[in-house]
Amino acid sequence: SQQGEEDPQALSIQEGENATMNCSYKTSINNLQWYRQNSGRGLVHLILIRSNEREKHSGRLRVTLDTSKKSSSLLITASRAADTASYFCATDGNAGNMLTFGGGTRLMVKP
Amino acid sequence: NAGVTQTPKFQVLKTGQSMTLQCAQDMNHEYMSWYRQDPGMGLRLIHYSVGAGITDQGEVPNGYNVSRSTTEDFPLRLLSAAPSQTSVYFCASSPERRQPQHFGDGTRLSIL
Repeated sequence: SQQGEEDPQALSIQEGENATMNCSYKTSINNLQWYRQNSGRGLVHLILIRSNEREKHSGRLRVTLDTSKKSSSLLITASRAADTASYFCATDGNAGNMLTFGGGTRLMVKP
Repeated sequence: NAGVTQTPKFQVLKTGQSMTLQCAQDMNHEYMSWYRQDPGMGLRLIHYSVGAGITDQGEVPNGYNVSRSTTEDFPLRLLSAAPSQTSVYFCASSPERRQPQHFGDGTRLSIL
């Protein structure tokens, strides 16, 4: 079973617009991570937010975490065509296991 | 520094054949894991290892075997390939269980 579920499954925007992706999860976590996957490549880690943090920034990325709602959001500001990729959230809520990934959001940024 | 290296990149097998997917990392990471990625399903954990000589099952372990004789290598064995095992397989490593994982570029496997 998937711990994290992303929403929407697909998102298409124009270059320069902001993109927001959401992630919901089921159990308590220590941290939540976001990853990016370009077509035909492996996942690349973007940002990690701990359960006691509410917001974190990295360049054009902004991640929020609401543990009471068991949800997180990833905001990409001023998107570029090069941001076209799939984005996954991952949580560490399962004791003894590695990260559990959601199904991903496919983002397309049109030039 | 190569990171996580997976071989082969592509493979076609016939039902019933066996093969080993190779994974090697040069970052001295203790934690390694294997995932499969199917359309619309995200990544599902097959097996993982918390150090040399220690392995455990993930969410979808049936039909797969692993071993970890060294810190660097974590091969995944398909015992008797089935069409349901057609997928993209990713190997990942991290220094600690909850730390960011480093992924290889995957092995695209087709079972006919």
